Formats: sequence, C-alpha cells, structure tokens
Amino acid sequence: TQLLEQSPQFLSIQEGENLTVYCNSSSVFSSLQWYRQEPGEGPVLLVTVVTGGEVKKLKRLTFQFGDARKDSSLHITAAQPGDTGLYLCAGAEIGRDDKIIFGKGTRLHILP
Amino acid sequence: NAGVMQNPRHLVRRRGQEARLRCSPMKGHSHVYWYRQLPEEGLKFMVYLQKENIIDESGMPKERFSAEFPKEGPSILRIQQVVRGDSAAYFCASSPLLLLNTDTQYFGPGTRLTVL
Repeated sequence: TQLLEQSPQFLSIQEGENLTVYCNSSSVFSSLQWYRQEPGEGPVLLVTVVTGGEVKKLKRLTFQFGDARKDSSLHITAAQPGDTGLYLCAGAEIGRDDKIIFGKGTRLHILP
Repeated sequence: NAGVMQNPRHLVRRRGQEARLRCSPMKGHSHVYWYRQLPEEGLKFMVYLQKENIIDESGMPKERFSAEFPKEGPSILRIQQVVRGDSAAYFCASSPLLLLNTDTQYFGPGTRLTVL
C-alpha cells in the first residue's frame, strides 16, 4: 500500500498552460515536502509545509497543505519547459520525524 | 560549501559480486539517510545513521545489505552477492540535526547500480 498517492502519474501540457498535481494520504503528516528531480540527479527540495491550510508560493509555483494535513497540492501557473521534471511529495508521519516517506511522483513534461 | 557527494556515480557489477557505495555528507552534517529508487518509482527509505550508530534500518533488506557511518570518512552502503533486482539508483541525503519537520535533508546525485 502506497502511503502517499500522487496524481496524475504523468502529465504533458503546452507551455503557458496552468496545472495542478496532487499528493494524497489517509495518514496525518507533521510536514510535507515537495521535491523536483531531474534525470540523473538527486531530488532538490522546493518547499516544506507544516501548518494545516498553509499556502506557500515560489514564483509561479503555489503549494498548499490540506487543513487536516493529509494532502497537498502543487499548482504551476504559465508552465515553462524548464518546469519539466519529476515532482515528488514526501512527508514525515506524526511522531516519525526521522523517516521521510516519498510518493511515486508526477512526471511533468512541458511542450514548447 | 560542497554538497552531498556520492561515488561512484555509476557502478556495474556482475551477479554475486559486492557493491560499495560511498556518501560524504555536507560539511557539518552528522546524519545520513540512504534511499533506493527504482525506475518510475519514488524513493524508498533504507537506513538512517548518525556517526558510528545505526538509528533506523527498518527499510533495509535483512540479508546482503549493510551500512555504516564511521567516525572518520564517508558513509558506506554495502551490498554483498548482488542480484539483478538490486539494480537501482541509490541516493544518500544528509541533515545537520535529527530531521525535524522544519529541517531539510540535502540529497546527493546518486549512484546508479547496474547488475549484469
């Protein structure tokens, strides 16, 4: 059973379009992180959300943590080819801050 | 300040050989985490180490896999008698303290192990 479900698995859209990807779980997390991973490289942290309902913006990327701290979303406005990559969400369950659990990721491809 | 270093970046082994993967954490970091990533999959936690101590190895296969983080030198993930199913990318991450919810773990570039 996958603790963190990410959807969609794959997404291919045109440059300039908006998109939202999701990270869902039945468990409560003390924090959720979003990473971007490029081919042949390790994941790079984009953001950490901690408080239920929290919204963080990183240029054209908007991250939201669900009120119940069970889910999160990443919205990209006016996608650009440079946004192409594997987006991973990861979380630390309540009381298990020493272990991060990863979702399988959403593979995003932005067409020029 | 150099990031997390992993070597080798690519490693090819024949079935039955041993694989040794090395990870040098960021300067000042004393906590190391190892993850395995299969194609089209997320990262799976394997083991969490501090200097000279294994804190959590619940994600590590019971046989053939071992990890250490000596007082001096890099952390080593060792896979004995490799099988084809061990082929994967192995990532190391480090953090300065116990990974609290506001801390960041920094990932290395990974070692891609191919077992022939």
